[in-house]
Amino acid sequence: IAGITQAPTSQILAAGRRMTLRCTQDMRHNAMYWYRQDLGLGLRLIHYSNTAGTTGKGEVPDGYSVSRANTDDFPLTLASAVPSQTSVYFCASSEGQGYGYTFGSGTRLTVV
Amino acid sequence: GIQVEQSPPDLILQEGANSTLRCNFSDSVNNLQWFHQNPWGQLINLFYIPSGTKQNGRLSATTVATERYSLLYISSSQTTDSGVYFCAVSNSNSGYALNFGKGTSLLVTP
Repeated sequence: IAGITQAPTSQILAAGRRMTLRCTQDMRHNAMYWYRQDLGLGLRLIHYSNTAGTTGKGEVPDGYSVSRANTDDFPLTLASAVPSQTSVYFCASSEGQGYGYTFGSGTRLTVV
Repeated sequence: GIQVEQSPPDLILQEGANSTLRCNFSDSVNNLQWFHQNPWGQLINLFYIPSGTKQNGRLSATTVATERYSLLYISSSQTTDSGVYFCAVSNSNSGYALNFGKGTSLLVTP
């Protein structure tokens, strides 16, 4: 089934540990995005990539890094997790400007 | 970035009722989308509608770009319509990335 796969579905992580959230799409979309969703704050953009090989910072990029080595994969890395990074993380993709987004099912991350 | 305000923040409807959700935005946009997040957390794209009117079954949306607002209409609501509805926008300054409002939380009761 075409779409976006995120892994893991949920994770409990000790503060200070490194963690990579995986995101893979099979729609050959050019653009990919990472958002975090927190109660009362809606979805906020962390990082984005308009095409393979390029990335950009969103509204809340601190403490996160991304890479886009190919079209399909867009991993999000927390170098040293902190409790304020407890959130639900959504990956999304689109063909580009002027096209709708497709979202993954999300990763629920708890940093303790 | 573009400011997105959605109203009302919360809404409770009885099954069969109609409703209108509003999205105001602070700058011109070339991309506007409506999403539904169901109670299990899944985000579904409802409409891509930077201008004009679209309909899909019981849902329709209208964007008046010159006046910087969009409306989502839900007719004959069903319990499965419950969840949070998000409006999201972008323009050439923000690239492809959408900026989301905080959503309207809808509960449809039997």
